[in-house]
Amino acid sequence: AQRVTQPEKLLSVFKGAPVELKCNYSYSGSPELFWYVQYSRQRLQLLLRHISRESIKGFTADLNKGETSFHLKKPFAQEEDSAMYYCAPPYFPGANNLFFGTGTRLTVIP
Amino acid sequence: DGGITQSPKYLFRKEGQNVTLSCEQNLNHDAMYWYRQDPGQGLRLIYYSQIVNDFQKGDIAEGYSVSREKKESFPLTVTSAQKNPTAFYLCASSMARDRGQDEQYFGPGTRLTVT
Repeated sequence: AQRVTQPEKLLSVFKGAPVELKCNYSYSGSPELFWYVQYSRQRLQLLLRHISRESIKGFTADLNKGETSFHLKKPFAQEEDSAMYYCAPPYFPGANNLFFGTGTRLTVIP
Repeated sequence: DGGITQSPKYLFRKEGQNVTLSCEQNLNHDAMYWYRQDPGQGLRLIYYSQIVNDFQKGDIAEGYSVSREKKESFPLTVTSAQKNPTAFYLCASSMARDRGQDEQYFGPGTRLTVT
């Protein structure tokens, strides 16, 4: 089965500190990965996708095929970044894969 | 917001009763999904549908059933066979592409409490 793994369920950082949310994948081919975010009392929504190579709200994510990782990074955390973050692969018809990682709850301490 | 709706926001049922959660989308998306979200367990896929009149089981389909009679609608029934039905249920939709899915758009969720 194709999997993504988020090893940290909880992550706390101080405001202004760098933050890295880890995501590792375990499938071959050309992965097209996504990061989703769920702020308190809001819908789960797309934060960024690998293929677009863009920076959203100061976050970036680089695909590292050697390490099979797609870690989400931000150089200076803000309080409003506190949320639940999910890493997700695309779905391929016929595959038996878990769509989302188990998520990491990020808390930015003022 | 908008585009994909779920109703009701909160739902209470007695143990042993079936209950159906509504999910509607007007995004013209082919694919629709149902997840449950439990603290500490993240999102787990219940059922998904790539096209009308077709759907597949996800990772935790036992005790649930779905139908996809219309492109816009993907209702989820939580049956009395589901051993732990109290949870937050999320519906999502996306365009379906030949080689993979596009981003998923999520509804606001339904919190089901069974006592």
